[in-house]
Amino acid sequence: EAQVTQNPRYLITVTGKKLTVTCSQNMNHEYMSWYRQDPGLGLRQIYYSMNVEVTDKGDVPEGYKVSRKEKRNFPLILESPSPNQTSLYFCASSTVRGGGYGYTFGSGTRLTVV
Amino acid sequence: GQNIDQPTEMTATEGAIVQINCTYQTSGFNGLFWYQQHAGEAPTFLSYNVLDGLEEKGRFSSFLSRSKGYSYLLLKELQMKDSASYLCAVSRNTGGFKTIFGAGTRLFVKA
Repeated sequence: EAQVTQNPRYLITVTGKKLTVTCSQNMNHEYMSWYRQDPGLGLRQIYYSMNVEVTDKGDVPEGYKVSRKEKRNFPLILESPSPNQTSLYFCASSTVRGGGYGYTFGSGTRLTVV
Repeated sequence: GQNIDQPTEMTATEGAIVQINCTYQTSGFNGLFWYQQHAGEAPTFLSYNVLDGLEEKGRFSSFLSRSKGYSYLLLKELQMKDSASYLCAVSRNTGGFKTIFGAGTRLFVKA
């Protein structure tokens, strides 16, 4: 089944403790992206990647890191999480730079930083 | 700057037709997406418009006017399962590639 797999689904952590949210897709998509979703603000893009070793900032990259060492994986790293990073996170992938076929989204990761 | 506006909430009756509007202001416009998102779930792709006009897909249709910065999603023969948020998103290509989402319109379908 074609899918984007995110882990974990739920995570509660403490301020300053490094964490990684994993994202993997099995569709051979070139383009992958991370979004956070907050009430009233919609989905905001954190980082995106157009292919292996090619990443770029979205609209809200502060406090996040990403890497794209393999085509299928695009982990999101929070080096020192803070409470304002409490949010619902989605990983998404697509072919053709997100045009035409749209994104396939992962199931989401609900992160709480206390 | 860039901005995407859509109504926060709408209510409609089962079996009726509803139109959800979206206006946008952005540079480097590529195309416009509509996504459906049920509560607690991931968004799912509904449509993508690049050219002006109406595109129909079953009960759902999407319209785009590039000159007016305007789009709408039309849902016909509403069903209870259509109760969800509908996200308008603009694909941009200006020295990088980004997709920007509106805050979403929460649609309530009542019996």
